Amino acid sequence: QGQLVESGGGVVQPGGSLRLSCAASEFTFSSYGMHWVRQAPGKGLEWVALIWADGSRKDYADSVKGRFTISRDNSKNMLYLQLNSLRPEDTGIYYCAKEASYLAGFDIWGQGTAVIVSS
Amino acid sequence: QSVLTQPPSASGTPGQRVTISCSDSRSNVGNDYVFWYQHLPGSAPKLLIYRSNQRPSGVPDRFSGSKSGTSASLAISGLRSEDEGDYYCAAWDDRLRNWVFGGGTSLTVL
Repeated sequence: QGQLVESGGGVVQPGGSLRLSCAASEFTFSSYGMHWVRQAPGKGLEWVALIWADGSRKDYADSVKGRFTISRDNSKNMLYLQLNSLRPEDTGIYYCAKEASYLAGFDIWGQGTAVIVSS
Repeated sequence: QSVLTQPPSASGTPGQRVTISCSDSRSNVGNDYVFWYQHLPGSAPKLLIYRSNQRPSGVPDRFSGSKSGTSASLAISGLRSEDEGDYYCAAWDDRLRNWVFGGGTSLTVL
């Protein structure tokens, strides 16, 4: 079925940086598009970024464009999200998710890693 | 403010059938697929419905999806206490190249 495990969350001051990681296992990681989705405290799910299976295309939500960078290492079955110029409104749980196939939804999700942006 | 509008809450008693709506305010989206996710307390989100009315393997047939024009619905029949949680619709916006989520509906089983 597959498994995703996020790490790298923590507490950071406004303007700071973090790098989130997502370790994939039990599926052919290099064959699937991957996403980051976040949830602010008391709010709903918000899509953050996607990366194609081969890494050739990346798209971002307007709220993070220019500040966050999604990347992947298919040789290590790893997905990353570099968070720069962090703002308090970036606080939340960050989930990585696997796309089942083109327009087939996100069929595997991690348990999430918490990011807190506070002075 | 999401382009996908859901009611903030819904409720039902065990065994009842409930529906959750998702209205898309974008134009020219009649052919877009809608996806539904279940997010239970303490758990990762789970895909319930893809391409508007398809169920992934392992999802009980108590869950069904439908879409007509710019409106979609998730129906849950034979409501159970373990269905209590948040439900989100989602869609791909090809013009913005973004996924969009609805604001979520909190389902309470009375």
